[in-house]
Amino acid sequence: DTAVSQTPKYLVTQMGNDKSIKCEQNLGHDTMYWYKQDSKKFLKIMFSYNNKELIINETVPNRFSPKSPDKAHLNLHINSLELGDSAVYFCASSLTVPGNTIYFGEGSWLTVV
Amino acid sequence: GNSVTQMEGPVTLSEEAFLTINCTYTATGYPSLFWYVQYPGEGLQLLLKATKADDKGSNKGFEATYRKETTSFHLEKGSVQVSDSAVYFCAWRISGGDYKLSFGAGTTVTVRA
Repeated sequence: DTAVSQTPKYLVTQMGNDKSIKCEQNLGHDTMYWYKQDSKKFLKIMFSYNNKELIINETVPNRFSPKSPDKAHLNLHINSLELGDSAVYFCASSLTVPGNTIYFGEGSWLTVV
Repeated sequence: GNSVTQMEGPVTLSEEAFLTINCTYTATGYPSLFWYVQYPGEGLQLLLKATKADDKGSNKGFEATYRKETTSFHLEKGSVQVSDSAVYFCAWRISGGDYKLSFGAGTTVTVRA
């Protein structure tokens, strides 16, 4: 039973394409996140949804659009992919309780060629 | 602003050596503190955490103590193994607000047999 699962794990695509990464959690959490890890391993939050409402929207190009159809799902859609979008994208979830742990998915390795 | 600063790597050790990775935080208030580990080609896993001053988190032989007086949460392991080779991230989370988890830059540790 995978707690936070994201698909696909690997994605190679051409510049200019549109792609989506899906994420689902079965932990009953009320908050979900997308993080980006660059080639130097630096992790930065992109978006967060709490009970399907967007609560964090960091400085991210408009080409990135999250969608949360329900509390258990948070998908990431990327339009007009660029070379610089190549990274590992992590989905995560948690309860909004002080000190609570954030659980991460296994990551989606996106390569734009 | 709030942040964590962790020791830069890479760190290379021999098996059975003692490992310390320094992490200090700057925060208004008292954050919860975490260490996450990323093994090669894998996602992020929680290693340990502490939610208040003087708490000690421990797991898999690793320990870290939340020290308010030095605003630190250093990670230690007395005898490392080759399987401990990974990237280690210090992270913090403030109660309230958006509950997002923010990461240090990561420290790459390589343990040689």
